[in-house]
Amino acid sequence: SQKIEQNSEALNIQEGKTATLTCNYTNYSPAYLQWYRQDPGRGPVFLLLIRENEKEKRKERLKVTFDTTLKQSLFHITASQPADSATYLCALVSFGNEKLTFGTGTRLTIIP
Amino acid sequence: DAGVIQSPRHEVTEMGQEVTLRCKPISGHNSLFWYRQTMMRGLELLIYFNNNVPIDDSGMPEDRFSAKMPNASFSTLKIQPSEPRDSAVYFCASGVGQAPYEQYFGPGTRLTVT
Repeated sequence: SQKIEQNSEALNIQEGKTATLTCNYTNYSPAYLQWYRQDPGRGPVFLLLIRENEKEKRKERLKVTFDTTLKQSLFHITASQPADSATYLCALVSFGNEKLTFGTGTRLTIIP
Repeated sequence: DAGVIQSPRHEVTEMGQEVTLRCKPISGHNSLFWYRQTMMRGLELLIYFNNNVPIDDSGMPEDRFSAKMPNASFSTLKIQPSEPRDSAVYFCASGVGQAPYEQYFGPGTRLTVT
């Protein structure tokens, strides 16, 4: 069966360090992978999109990698700040499909 | 830009009642998505529209759920009759252009069915 797993429910990181979140998938052929941020009581907010033929994407302090051999994406936040504390969701779009399928999310807490 | 607007923000109803959730997408966006979020199942796509036409409703749990998009600026998700297991946060999102869309989510409607 198809699965998208974000293998940490919760992650605590010291302020200033790099936070690394993992998204693993099985039985998908993703064309694209997206990362969203969700704060309590709010809807998800789009952060980054990476295509299956791209290895890495950066945006300010954010970096996403995509390894279709390992079936994994890593999401990095460098120089983390308490304001980065939120739940982060990965989402896949398969070839021939327009639907986003979301992972269960990782709750990130940056400790001052 | 006001973003995606959803109403009501909170709804409490009794089992068996009809519930209607409303969504106004961002002006100019041509795709609209309805999601449901629970602790157990995470964020699930229920249905999405492209240019007001339903494209995929395979995520709609059962016939009690229906969605319409009569025009580019309005969509409804209806549950009739509602059941306690429908309790969740329902999000509407809109996107523009061609897939893959970055999606813009509304604030959600928290539905509680007692």
